[in-house]
Amino acid sequence: QVQLVESGGGVVLPGRSLRLSCAASGFRFSTYGMHWVRQAPGKGLEWLSMIFYDGSKKYYVNSVKGRFTISRDNSKNTVYLQMNSLRAEDTAIYYCARDVGAGWDKSGTFGSWFDPWGQGTLVTVSS
Amino acid sequence: FLLTQPHSVSESPGKTVTISCTRSSGSIASNYVQWYQQRPGSAPTAVIYQDYQRPSGVPDRFSGSIDSSSNSASLTISGLKTEDEADYYCQSYDATSWVFGGGTKLTVL
Repeated sequence: QVQLVESGGGVVLPGRSLRLSCAASGFRFSTYGMHWVRQAPGKGLEWLSMIFYDGSKKYYVNSVKGRFTISRDNSKNTVYLQMNSLRAEDTAIYYCARDVGAGWDKSGTFGSWFDPWGQGTLVTVSS
Repeated sequence: FLLTQPHSVSESPGKTVTISCTRSSGSIASNYVQWYQQRPGSAPTAVIYQDYQRPSGVPDRFSGSIDSSSNSASLTISGLKTEDEADYYCQSYDATSWVFGGGTKLTVL
């Protein structure tokens, strides 16, 4: 079945780095875009980043632009999130999710949604 | 743009509840709206995509709609069950970013 499994979370000091991984199985990974989304404790969902199926395009939310880098290795069916200069406010559960196409919308954008999601990995930034 | 949802709603089992999602700028009808359910301790799962489509396995008690006059989307759950108690998030996008609403806690009491 389609499955995403995140790993790499843990406790890290402010200012340090961490790399998260998301291993995919059960589908043709190299044909799908992938997202990272996070959820701070007791808070809502925040989209972070998206990478095209072939890695040719990457998008980021402003709050992590310049600090976080998304990448993928299609030979390993894995997407990564390199997080640098971590801050206390980066403490959250980090989810990866597959980008599923929803067709062309009225604005001329090819829409998409998130399915499935991984179980998440907890990142705690604390001294 | 922002997506604004009510913080919480509550309703009794068997009743119908509607959760709204208002877009701050740009037309709600321009880009598809999705809805996700998140039960405590679990990852989100989609219950509506492309404004009103249901993923496989989602019961037809869940429905989605768009109202251009109020620039909002709505998730309606009929025949409420205690298992529907969860957080619900709307989501949309533009050409280079994806946006979630703040989430609505649904209590079925």
